[in-house]
Amino acid sequence: KQEVTQIPAALSVPEGENLVLNCSFTDSAIYNLQWFRQDPGKGLTSLLLIQSSQREQTSGRLNASLDKSSGRSTLYIAASQPGDSATYLCAVSTYFGNEKLTFGTGTRLTIIP
Amino acid sequence: GAGVSQSPRYKVAKRGQDVALRCDPISGHVSLFWYQQALGQGPEFLTYFQNEAQLDKSGLPSDRFFAERPEGSVSTLKIQRTQQEDSAVYLCASSFRQATNSPLHFGNGTRLTVT
Repeated sequence: KQEVTQIPAALSVPEGENLVLNCSFTDSAIYNLQWFRQDPGKGLTSLLLIQSSQREQTSGRLNASLDKSSGRSTLYIAASQPGDSATYLCAVSTYFGNEKLTFGTGTRLTIIP
Repeated sequence: GAGVSQSPRYKVAKRGQDVALRCDPISGHVSLFWYQQALGQGPEFLTYFQNEAQLDKSGLPSDRFFAERPEGSVSTLKIQRTQQEDSAVYLCASSFRQATNSPLHFGNGTRLTVT
């Protein structure tokens, strides 16, 4: 059974700093990995999707990397802003044909102005 | 609509009552998912539709949970004889095609509290 772990559970950093969030998964037979953001009382917003054949994806100040063989992904946020405060979740899908995502428990990020 | 819409936003039910949660996906989206999110946890998969066909219901926790999408658009998640452990946020998500090839768009969820 696929298990997804995110460490740390919570993180506080001063505004302007660069930071890295970590995600690990136990079964490397994934089809893709997605990073989501969740604001309190809201649904999830997809940030980046990395196919298993890719190594990284970038969107603005966000960069996500994937090392499938070691079962790890990182989300890099550059020049953090207070608006980045949210819970960040990673999720993996198993090999093609299985549509469901397995989520981690998330990292609650607080950017201190 | 502009996004995935879920109703009601909040639902309080007494133990033993039946509830129905509605999801309006983005127009034209083929895939539709239901997830359950307990407090402080990540979402957990419940069921998946492709158009009107329910292709995977392996995540439904018991036979008290039932989902349908009869015309391939709006979906309803029904929970019969609610129990306290059913208290959670129920999230609906849709995608244009097979979700493994395109990002999911989530609704804001329905927070169910069973008293």
